[in-house]
Amino acid sequence: NAGVTQTPKFQVLKTGQSMTLQCAQDMNHNSMYWYRQDPGMGLRLIYYSASEGTTDKGEVPNGYNVSRLNKREFSLRLESAAPSQTSVYFCATSQGYGYTFGSGTRLTVV
Amino acid sequence: GDSVTQMEGPVTLSEEAFLTINCTYTATGYPSLFWYVQYPGEGLQLLLKATKADDKGSNKGFEATYRKETTSFHLEKGSVQVSDSAVYFCALSMKTSYDKVIFGPGTSLSVIP
Repeated sequence: NAGVTQTPKFQVLKTGQSMTLQCAQDMNHNSMYWYRQDPGMGLRLIYYSASEGTTDKGEVPNGYNVSRLNKREFSLRLESAAPSQTSVYFCATSQGYGYTFGSGTRLTVV
Repeated sequence: GDSVTQMEGPVTLSEEAFLTINCTYTATGYPSLFWYVQYPGEGLQLLLKATKADDKGSNKGFEATYRKETTSFHLEKGSVQVSDSAVYFCALSMKTSYDKVIFGPGTSLSVIP
């Protein structure tokens, strides 16, 4: 039972490059989330998807786009990466109370 | 707005010491309360939860009681181990159009032998 799988685990980008972070869950949960975690800032919600076919902005959506491809998959895209987007990105799912998190993607933008 | 406040870290304890990490919250309505733990290099894991006032959540020797009168959810463990070294996040959940969760800033715990 894999739970929530994120790929890649590590990535280095140059400023202006684009990339997509992938998240897949096998828990049959309706809701999925993307967070970023930065030192001293805690966890901040970027986007969420309450159910398949819907997405909404969270606290810090600027510079990101998302796609809820189906119930299992929720991807996060950086169209033109900036150094301020250097962070650890976590995908999470929920159905009811409590989140299940993936192991994270550590992204560095140089 | 809704928020969670935790005691500042880092916290350093000797093995077998008693642990308390304070957490208070502000919320409209009646949230569910959680503690999550993050080990180095990993994602957050749900440690315990309580869904209504006076409930006690417990797991792996950790406990926390939902105190509505003091809006608190303090985490305790009677005897910590080196393997408990991690960052602990208090969080609340409000049922809106989605499972909205607000996290505290996290408290880093180091347990030394």
